[in-house]
Amino acid sequence: QKEVEQNSGPLSVPEGAIASLNCTYSDRGSQSFFWYRQYSGKSPELIMFIYSNGDKEDGRFTAQLNKASQYVSLLIRDSQPSDSATYLCAVTPGNQFYFGTGTSLTVIP
Amino acid sequence: SQTIHQWPATLVQPVGSPLSLECTVEGTSNPNLYWYRQAAGRGLQLLFYSVGIGQISSEVPQNLSASRPQDRQFILSSKKLLLSDSGFYLCAWGQPNQPQHFGDGTRLSIL
Repeated sequence: QKEVEQNSGPLSVPEGAIASLNCTYSDRGSQSFFWYRQYSGKSPELIMFIYSNGDKEDGRFTAQLNKASQYVSLLIRDSQPSDSATYLCAVTPGNQFYFGTGTSLTVIP
Repeated sequence: SQTIHQWPATLVQPVGSPLSLECTVEGTSNPNLYWYRQAAGRGLQLLFYSVGIGQISSEVPQNLSASRPQDRQFILSSKKLLLSDSGFYLCAWGQPNQPQHFGDGTRLSIL
């Protein structure tokens, strides 16, 4: 079983819609949870992090964490074509860092 | 502020040649350092991570090695490159339970 599982997609949404990205993890000792965005040919960049159960909002992005269900999600509101990228979920119980394989998102103008 | 430098940006090497990729971090002390490889269209594969000088953990047995001669310097090496070593190599730094931050990466092509 992989440490972090993501639907690889591709996920396509029309411009202005809400994109919903999901991630599950296996290590119940995981304490910190992150979402990265990676454009083709570029390195991943951090867009959100969450440590506690519930929702965390930053602009158009909302991260949701449910530790009991071992589930992390990312919502992107008012999706823009510039949001088209691969989104990586990552979790860490400390020093080890586990990445999912990423979900490819395409926002259609 | 913290910055991470990784070079070179691109590299073309013949099969059997040696490799040395360097990564340095500025603006932080005793960071955890990581080397990843990403094949085209694939996820990140953790190669090595280090929690301190001289402390290297290997995640994937292969013909690559890593060293950390200084607190903020991380080096990825190979004595003889294979065709399968082609890929996008990423260095990252972080503190325990904190986000990782990536360098710009090195695109390595083996001919």
